Amino acid sequence: EEQLVESGGGLVQPGGSLRLSCAASGFTFSSYWMHWVRQAPGKGLEWVARMNSDGNSRSYADSVQGRFSISRDNAKNTLYLELNSLRDDDTAVYYCARDSYTRSWYYFDFWGLGTPVTVSS
Amino acid sequence: DIQMTQSPSSLSASVGDRVTMTCRASHYISTYLNWYQHKPGKAPKLLIYAASSLQSGVPSRFSGSGSGTDFTLTISSLQPEDFATYYCQQSFITPPYTFGQGTKLDIK
Repeated sequence: EEQLVESGGGLVQPGGSLRLSCAASGFTFSSYWMHWVRQAPGKGLEWVARMNSDGNSRSYADSVQGRFSISRDNAKNTLYLELNSLRDDDTAVYYCARDSYTRSWYYFDFWGLGTPVTVSS
Repeated sequence: DIQMTQSPSSLSASVGDRVTMTCRASHYISTYLNWYQHKPGKAPKLLIYAASSLQSGVPSRFSGSGSGTDFTLTISSLQPEDFATYYCQQSFITPPYTFGQGTKLDIK
């Protein structure tokens, strides 16, 4: 059974750092591009970052560019998100999602339950 | 960046109703449009990809249509488990992978 399990969230002060993990199982993790998506309280889904399957290509939303860093360890079937210089508006539930495709159409076909991050003094 | 606008923002309906919600892209996106369902405390779930293709395992009461800039998601006969928030997402020009702001569907 396919599973994505996020961890590492918590309470952090403004300006602080946090490292999120997403453990994958039940599928060949190294074959898939992966994403982080977040949902702030009372808000909608916001795409945060993407990494390709072998880890040599990354993209970020403008709102996190230069502060967040996505990485992966295919030997450990794990995706990471390093959050630095955290701000109040980074408070959200952070989800990892698997990128899949049919012909030329791409979509996020599997998601985890998320891990909450609260930035507050 | 391509902006996605959903309407309405919220919708009240009853079990058995036919419900339609819309998503509009700020630029042409062909059929590179996905729909997701999200319930509180749950993982978002892919319903429709490529504007009208039903994801495996999703009930056939869900359907999607549209191309270019205007898209719709229809639920033919609402079931109790369908009350959730629905998001559209474009995958035509990425990154970013833009989502709409969501349509919250609740019980009348």
